[in-house]
Amino acid sequence: AQSVTQLDSQVPVFEEAPVELRCNYSSSVSVYLFWYVQYPNQGLQLLLKYLSGSTLVKGINGFEAEFNKSQTSFHLRKPSVHISDTAEYFCAVSENAGKSTFGDGTTLTVKP
Amino acid sequence: KAGVTQTPRYLIKTRGQQVTLSCSPISGHRSVSWYQQTPGQGLQFLFEYFSETQRNKGNFPGRFSGRQFSNSRSEMNVSTLELGDSALYLCASSFQADLYEQYFGPGTRLTVT
Repeated sequence: AQSVTQLDSQVPVFEEAPVELRCNYSSSVSVYLFWYVQYPNQGLQLLLKYLSGSTLVKGINGFEAEFNKSQTSFHLRKPSVHISDTAEYFCAVSENAGKSTFGDGTTLTVKP
Repeated sequence: KAGVTQTPRYLIKTRGQQVTLSCSPISGHRSVSWYQQTPGQGLQFLFEYFSETQRNKGNFPGRFSGRQFSNSRSEMNVSTLELGDSALYLCASSFQADLYEQYFGPGTRLTVT
């Protein structure tokens, strides 16, 4: 069975500082990995995905993530955050088409 | 291209009633998945439909059911509502099932009183 652990429930950071949101996963088979962002009262928006190939994945809004198979991690990073990045971020893993397992989410709060 | 749409956006029901939520996927998408999001349990997978057939199912009681129509639109039904069913219900669609990439709708906020 697959599972996802987001290691930080809340991450406060100052504007223009770098940020890393950590995600570890477990799975018995090859998986696909995703990061989503959710703004208040909205659905989930895909930030980036890892399906295969290069382990460094670039997404929207300046975010990137690195897939590390040996450490079963898929950490999300941004070199300089903005106030508008304040939101909840979810890491997800998918073994089966149409079904994803999500982490508990990390609330990123960017302070001025 | 229009995104995933869900109706209604907000719903208030009384314990014991039943409710039907609707999801229209992105044009051309044939896979529709449903998730329940609550503060306590997070995002949990309910079920997934592809070409009118349920392919995957999560660990929810039989009170939760769904279906998909020939135009790929999907409905989710919850019977005998309980207070614990209060949640944001999210629908997601995929263009090709094996791409695993899901596009989410804005959700339906269900409140059970």
